[in-house]
Amino acid sequence: AQKITQTQPGMFVQEKEAVTLDCTYDTSDPSYGLFWYKQPSSGEMIFLIYQGSYDQQNATEGRYSLNFQKARKSANLVISASQLGDSAMYFCAMRDDNAGGTSYGKLTFGQGTILTVHP
Amino acid sequence: DTEVTQTPKHLVMGMTNKKSLKCEQHMGHRAMYWYKQKAKKPPELMFVYSYEKLSINESVPSRFSPECPNSSLLNLHLHALQPEDSALYLCASSQDQGGWNTEAFFGQGTRLTVV
Repeated sequence: AQKITQTQPGMFVQEKEAVTLDCTYDTSDPSYGLFWYKQPSSGEMIFLIYQGSYDQQNATEGRYSLNFQKARKSANLVISASQLGDSAMYFCAMRDDNAGGTSYGKLTFGQGTILTVHP
Repeated sequence: DTEVTQTPKHLVMGMTNKKSLKCEQHMGHRAMYWYKQKAKKPPELMFVYSYEKLSINESVPSRFSPECPNSSLLNLHLHALQPEDSALYLCASSQDQGGWNTEAFFGQGTRLTVV
């Protein structure tokens, strides 16, 4: 079974500073995808960044980067130059990419981290 | 266009009512999902459809009945719900059920209240 852990219930950051949101995962499967989503209070789940288990380089998308350390089973999200609009709940998620398995395609979410950006 | 459209945005229904949630995408995605999210909790997977066939049912009670009439449309039929079924229901779609670089895009959700 796959498991995702986010140990930071809440994080605070000053505007324009960088912040790291932690995520660790546990799986014995070789193929998986790691994702970060942002959920504002409006409820929409916004895709931020993706990392495949076989990717050699860390993923980056604008101000977002994913610090992928496979041996440590961690996939931390780094947000550079925080903005007030970054205040939201952030979820780390893992997808089972083992085709043919009973959980193929299942996306499992961590408990989330509430990020608050102060002016 | 990475849009998944869900209707209605809000729904209040009685325990004896029958209602349906609708989800639509025009990105050519072949996998579609229903998730349930309670307040301050992560989303939990309910159903996965792949190429219009039910692929995963996470032991969801039969009062929730999914339907995929075509590759762009996903419905969730609701009947005889309980107050504890009140939640945010999220629909998502992805190019395929899994595989490299097939991220899931979510709709804005339907906030369901059962009275």
